[in-house]
Amino acid sequence: AQKVTQAQTEISVVEKEDVTLDCVYETRDTTYYLFWYKQPPSGELVFLIRRNSFDEQNEISGRYSWNFQKSTSSFNFTITASQVVDSAVYFCALSEAGNFNKFYFGSGTKLNVKP
Amino acid sequence: DGGITQSPKYLFRKEGQNVTLSCEQNLNHDAMYWYRQDPGQGLRLIYYSQIVNDFQKGDIAEGYSVSREKKESFPLTVTSAQKNPTAFYLCASSMRETQYFGPGTRLLVL
Repeated sequence: AQKVTQAQTEISVVEKEDVTLDCVYETRDTTYYLFWYKQPPSGELVFLIRRNSFDEQNEISGRYSWNFQKSTSSFNFTITASQVVDSAVYFCALSEAGNFNKFYFGSGTKLNVKP
Repeated sequence: DGGITQSPKYLFRKEGQNVTLSCEQNLNHDAMYWYRQDPGQGLRLIYYSQIVNDFQKGDIAEGYSVSREKKESFPLTVTSAQKNPTAFYLCASSMRETQYFGPGTRLLVL
Protein backbone atom coordinates (compact mmCIF):
# COMPACT_ATOMS: atom_id res chain seq x y z
CA ALA A 1 0.00 0.00 0.00
CA GLN A 2 1.17 3.48 -0.79
CA LYS A 3 2.35 5.19 2.36
CA VAL A 4 2.50 8.66 0.82
CA THR A 5 0.04 9.77 -1.81
CA GLN A 6 0.36 12.91 -3.89
CA ALA A 7 -2.74 12.73 -6.00
CA GLN A 8 -1.94 15.80 -8.08
CA THR A 9 0.43 14.73 -10.82
CA GLU A 10 0.78 18.14 -12.40
CA ILE A 11 -0.56 21.61 -11.61
CA SER A 12 -0.33 24.72 -13.76
CA VAL A 13 -0.92 28.22 -12.39
CA VAL A 14 -0.27 31.75 -13.51
CA GLU A 15 2.27 33.79 -11.62
CA LYS A 16 0.94 35.41 -8.41
CA GLU A 17 -1.73 32.79 -7.93
CA ASP A 18 -1.76 30.78 -4.71
CA VAL A 19 -1.39 27.02 -5.05
CA THR A 20 -1.73 24.11 -2.63
CA LEU A 21 0.02 20.80 -3.07
CA ASP A 22 -1.66 17.90 -1.32
CA CYS A 23 0.02 15.10 0.60
CA VAL A 24 -1.78 12.25 2.34
CA TYR A 25 0.16 9.69 4.35
CA GLU A 26 -0.50 6.37 5.99
CA THR A 27 1.23 5.00 9.07
CA ARG A 28 0.43 3.03 12.20
CA ASP A 29 3.32 4.55 14.12
CA THR A 30 2.62 7.31 16.61
CA THR A 31 6.08 8.74 16.07
CA TYR A 32 7.00 9.74 12.56
CA TYR A 33 8.40 12.57 10.46
CA LEU A 34 7.01 14.26 7.39
CA PHE A 35 9.04 16.16 4.83
CA TRP A 36 8.71 18.29 1.73
CA TYR A 37 11.44 18.51 -0.91
CA LYS A 38 11.69 20.62 -4.06
CA GLN A 39 13.30 19.24 -7.21
CA PRO A 40 14.01 22.00 -9.75
CA PRO A 41 14.90 21.12 -13.35
CA SER A 42 18.56 20.77 -12.36
CA GLY A 43 17.61 17.60 -10.48
CA GLU A 44 18.91 18.10 -6.97
CA LEU A 45 16.35 17.60 -4.20
CA VAL A 46 16.22 20.60 -1.91
CA PHE A 47 14.98 20.10 1.64
CA LEU A 48 12.14 22.48 2.54
CA ILE A 49 10.67 21.35 5.85
CA ARG A 50 10.51 18.56 8.44
CA ARG A 51 7.63 18.01 10.81
CA ASN A 52 7.41 15.47 13.62
CA SER A 53 4.15 13.77 14.51
CA PHE A 54 3.89 15.53 17.86
CA ASP A 55 3.96 19.01 16.41
CA GLU A 56 0.78 19.94 14.59
CA GLN A 57 1.52 23.63 14.49
CA ASN A 58 1.29 25.06 11.05
CA GLU A 59 4.42 26.69 9.76
CA ILE A 60 5.03 29.67 7.55
CA SER A 61 8.28 30.56 5.88
CA GLY A 62 7.99 33.53 3.58
CA ARG A 63 5.60 32.59 0.77
CA TYR A 64 5.57 28.95 1.86
CA SER A 65 3.22 27.48 4.45
CA TRP A 66 2.46 23.98 5.61
CA ASN A 67 -0.74 22.60 7.10
CA PHE A 68 -0.30 19.40 9.12
CA GLN A 69 -3.53 17.68 10.15
CA LYS A 70 -3.27 14.32 11.89
CA SER A 71 -7.04 13.88 11.84
CA THR A 72 -6.97 13.62 8.05
CA SER A 73 -3.38 12.30 7.75
CA SER A 74 -2.47 15.21 5.55
CA PHE A 75 0.52 17.51 5.26
CA ASN A 76 -0.34 20.07 2.61
CA PHE A 77 1.97 22.71 1.21
CA THR A 78 0.80 26.12 0.04
CA ILE A 79 2.75 28.61 -2.03
CA THR A 80 1.35 32.12 -1.85
CA ALA A 81 1.81 34.49 -4.76
CA SER A 82 3.61 31.90 -6.86
CA GLN A 83 6.59 32.86 -8.97
CA VAL A 84 8.15 31.30 -12.07
CA VAL A 85 11.10 30.15 -9.91
CA ASP A 86 8.69 27.95 -7.97
CA SER A 87 8.32 25.72 -11.02
CA ALA A 88 9.63 22.32 -9.94
CA VAL A 89 8.57 18.88 -8.84
CA TYR A 90 7.66 18.74 -5.18
CA PHE A 91 7.93 15.56 -3.15
CA CYS A 92 6.33 14.70 0.17
CA ALA A 93 8.01 12.00 2.27
CA LEU A 94 7.43 10.03 5.47
CA SER A 95 9.79 8.26 7.85
CA GLU A 96 8.65 6.13 10.77
CA ALA A 97 9.93 5.43 14.26
CA GLY A 98 10.86 1.86 13.38
CA ASN A 99 13.53 3.04 10.96
CA PHE A 100 14.05 6.74 10.43
CA ASN A 101 16.58 5.97 7.72
CA LYS A 102 13.87 4.63 5.43
CA PHE A 103 11.97 7.33 3.61
CA TYR A 104 8.70 6.73 1.81
CA PHE A 105 8.42 9.23 -1.01
CA GLY A 106 5.28 10.24 -2.80
CA SER A 107 5.32 10.21 -6.58
CA GLY A 108 5.68 13.99 -6.72
CA THR A 109 3.64 16.92 -8.01
CA LYS A 110 4.98 18.90 -10.93
CA LEU A 111 4.19 22.59 -10.54
CA ASN A 112 4.28 24.83 -13.59
CA VAL A 113 4.11 28.54 -12.88
CA LYS A 114 3.54 30.55 -16.03
CA PRO A 115 4.42 34.24 -16.33
CA ASP B 1 31.49 24.78 1.59
CA GLY B 2 29.77 21.86 3.28
CA GLY B 3 27.75 19.61 1.08
CA ILE B 4 27.35 16.47 -0.96
CA THR B 5 29.10 16.02 -4.28
CA GLN B 6 28.36 13.45 -6.93
CA SER B 7 30.42 12.67 -9.98
CA PRO B 8 30.25 12.47 -12.83
CA LYS B 9 27.20 14.51 -13.77
CA TYR B 10 26.63 12.29 -16.82
CA LEU B 11 27.84 8.73 -17.27
CA PHE B 12 27.58 6.46 -20.25
CA ARG B 13 27.62 2.71 -19.90
CA LYS B 14 28.29 0.14 -22.58
CA GLU B 15 26.61 -3.24 -22.64
CA GLY B 16 28.15 -5.60 -20.07
CA GLN B 17 30.16 -2.90 -18.37
CA ASN B 18 30.29 -2.08 -14.66
CA VAL B 19 30.33 1.60 -13.81
CA THR B 20 30.87 3.37 -10.50
CA LEU B 21 29.13 6.52 -9.34
CA SER B 22 30.88 8.63 -6.76
CA CYS B 23 29.27 10.26 -3.71
CA GLU B 24 31.24 12.31 -1.19
CA GLN B 25 30.03 14.37 1.76
CA ASN B 26 31.84 16.69 4.14
CA LEU B 27 28.93 17.21 6.49
CA ASN B 28 30.19 14.62 8.98
CA HIS B 29 26.95 12.70 8.53
CA ASP B 30 26.82 9.10 9.69
CA ALA B 31 24.22 7.76 7.25
CA MET B 32 24.35 7.77 3.46
CA TYR B 33 21.88 6.61 0.82
CA TRP B 34 21.51 5.86 -2.88
CA TYR B 35 18.26 6.39 -4.74
CA ARG B 36 17.18 5.77 -8.29
CA GLN B 37 14.72 8.05 -10.06
CA ASP B 38 13.12 7.14 -13.38
CA PRO B 39 11.52 9.81 -15.59
CA GLY B 40 8.34 11.16 -14.07
CA GLN B 41 8.66 8.90 -11.07
CA GLY B 42 9.45 9.17 -7.40
CA LEU B 43 12.59 7.97 -5.65
CA ARG B 44 13.39 4.34 -4.93
CA LEU B 45 15.99 3.31 -2.37
CA ILE B 46 18.85 1.16 -3.64
CA TYR B 47 21.18 0.89 -0.63
CA TYR B 48 21.88 2.75 2.57
CA SER B 49 24.61 2.78 5.16
CA GLN B 50 24.26 3.90 8.76
CA ILE B 51 27.93 3.55 9.72
CA VAL B 52 31.28 2.81 8.13
CA ASN B 53 31.76 -0.78 6.93
CA ASP B 54 28.04 -1.53 7.16
CA PHE B 55 25.25 -1.17 4.63
CA GLN B 56 21.76 -2.52 3.96
CA LYS B 57 19.81 -3.29 0.83
CA GLY B 58 16.94 -1.04 -0.07
CA ASP B 59 13.95 -1.83 -2.23
CA ILE B 60 15.79 -2.30 -5.55
CA ALA B 61 19.32 -3.51 -4.70
CA GLU B 62 19.58 -6.18 -7.42
CA GLY B 63 22.24 -5.33 -9.97
CA TYR B 64 23.93 -2.78 -7.71
CA SER B 65 26.73 -2.90 -5.15
CA VAL B 66 28.15 -0.41 -2.65
CA SER B 67 30.98 0.00 -0.19
CA ARG B 68 31.47 2.25 2.82
CA GLU B 69 35.14 2.26 3.72
CA LYS B 70 35.20 5.90 4.78
CA LYS B 71 32.59 8.02 6.49
CA GLU B 72 32.75 10.61 3.73
CA SER B 73 32.34 8.28 0.77
CA PHE B 74 29.65 5.89 -0.46
CA PRO B 75 30.29 4.80 -4.05
CA LEU B 76 27.66 2.90 -6.02
CA THR B 77 28.58 0.36 -8.68
CA VAL B 78 26.03 -0.43 -11.36
CA THR B 79 26.90 -3.93 -12.48
CA SER B 80 26.22 -5.65 -15.77
CA ALA B 81 23.48 -7.58 -13.97
CA GLN B 82 21.39 -4.40 -13.90
CA LYS B 83 19.59 -4.74 -17.21
CA ASN B 84 17.86 -1.38 -17.22
CA PRO B 85 20.27 1.08 -15.62
CA THR B 86 19.21 4.23 -17.45
CA ALA B 87 18.02 6.57 -14.71
CA PHE B 88 18.92 9.54 -12.52
CA TYR B 89 20.85 8.51 -9.41
CA LEU B 90 20.72 10.58 -6.26
CA CYS B 91 22.95 10.25 -3.23
CA ALA B 92 21.90 11.57 0.17
CA SER B 93 23.27 11.78 3.68
CA SER B 94 21.78 12.38 7.12
CA MET B 95 22.89 12.91 10.69
CA ARG B 96 19.48 12.50 12.24
CA GLU B 97 16.06 12.47 10.65
CA THR B 98 16.58 14.72 7.65
CA GLN B 99 18.19 13.57 4.43
CA TYR B 100 20.15 16.03 2.28
CA PHE B 101 20.76 15.29 -1.36
CA GLY B 102 23.56 15.68 -3.86
CA PRO B 103 23.13 17.04 -7.40
CA GLY B 104 22.70 13.60 -8.98
CA THR B 105 24.29 11.56 -11.76
CA ARG B 106 22.45 10.76 -14.98
CA LEU B 107 23.36 7.32 -16.29
CA LEU B 108 22.73 6.48 -19.92
CA VAL B 109 23.28 3.24 -21.79
CA LEU B 110 25.08 3.32 -25.14
